[in-house]
Parts: sequence; structure tokens; C-alpha cells
Amino acid sequence: DTAVSQTPKYLVTQMGNDKSIKCEQNLGHDTMYWYKQDSKKFLKIMFSYNNKELIINETVPNRFSPKSPDKAHLNLHINSLELGDSAVYFCASSPSEDRVESPLHFGNGTRLTVT
Amino acid sequence: DAKTTQPPSMDCAEGRAANLPCNHSTISGNEYVYWYRQIHSQGPQYIIHGLKNNETNEMASLIITEDRKSSTLILPHATLRDTAVYYCIVRLIYNQGGKLIFGQGTELSVKP
Repeated sequence: DTAVSQTPKYLVTQMGNDKSIKCEQNLGHDTMYWYKQDSKKFLKIMFSYNNKELIINETVPNRFSPKSPDKAHLNLHINSLELGDSAVYFCASSPSEDRVESPLHFGNGTRLTVT
Repeated sequence: DAKTTQPPSMDCAEGRAANLPCNHSTISGNEYVYWYRQIHSQGPQYIIHGLKNNETNEMASLIITEDRKSSTLILPHATLRDTAVYYCIVRLIYNQGGKLIFGQGTELSVKP
């Protein structure tokens, strides 16, 4: 069974559209994250949630809105998509947000292409 | 900004040990050294972490210098499947929301 799963794997859409990426983890973890990997392969955190509560918001545009219906799910909704939003988005989870002994487990990413 | 420096790329012969260096000269006493890797088209995968002492698990060994300003990840018998980008990360003991700051990493190519 996949520990952290994201859907869809690929997403191609036009500028101005609204889209969502879903993430689910079956590890029983309390904390979930969204990371973005740009064309230069830099991985950067966007958000983290602990037990459905927002912990980190790394100056991400308001067009990006994470939603956590329960601690096993963290979805990412993006409004008014722009060309610069094209990237690979990774979801991750960890047992706790404040214990460094808790490695992050990443999903396999969603490749978003905005045309 | 990432607080680590790694060579951009390295080659290793299959079956030999791969030694990946990392400099973290500004590391503080309450920061761990973490290693992750990213195989093409996959999400980052946790490998190992340590604070002061050398660590070993089923995947790799981590050697941290006494002054903690640098470390080396050792893959004892590299295989073709170890070809990946390897990231060295420093992370606070009591972390700000679990944040990992990734640098550019080292692209390791294991060759037959």
C-alpha cells in the first residue's frame, strides 16, 4: 500500500483555470506538507498542517489554498492558474511537526503544466 | 537558504562505496544533519540522520566530523538503483513546523 498518495500524477491545464491536487496518507501521521519543485529542481516548502491546523505558510500567493478535511488528507487548491505555477508538487507527512526524529515521507508528486 | 554545500555531481562504479561529502560549517548545536535522496520522477526518500555520533542503518552510514562542520554519507556497495540526487539538510532539533530546506544536492551516477 502506498504510504503517501497524490492524485492526479499529471495535470495539464490552461491559464486562468482553477484546479485541485489531492493527497492522502495512511501512516497515521499528524503532520502533512506541500512542497514545490520548480524547473531548476529546487524543492521548497509551501505549507504544513498539524492535526488540520495550519503551521507554516511560506509566503505562498493567496491563489494557493490548502484544505485539510481530516489529518489523513491535505488537498491543494489553486485558483487562476499562471504559467509560473508549472512545477512538480509534492505532498509529505510526518508523525509530528516538532520532533526532529520524525522523517518526512513524500508522495511521488503531481506534475502540473499550465499552458 | 540552504545551510549546506555539496558537490553538484559525482560518479561511482557499481559495487564500490559511494562517499558523498557535505559541508555545514555554520551548523549550530541544536541542528541535526539529515540526508534524503530523490530518484528520477519520484518523491524524496529519507536515508539517515545524526547529531554528533556516526550512524548506520540498512541503507547507509553517516560520518560526522568531530567539529560537526562536515559529514559524509557512505553507500557501502552502490548499485545502479542508487543513481539519484542526494540532499544534505540541517534541521533544528525543535523544528519550525517540520520544515526541510533543500539545497541543490549531489547528482550521483552509478555506472556499470
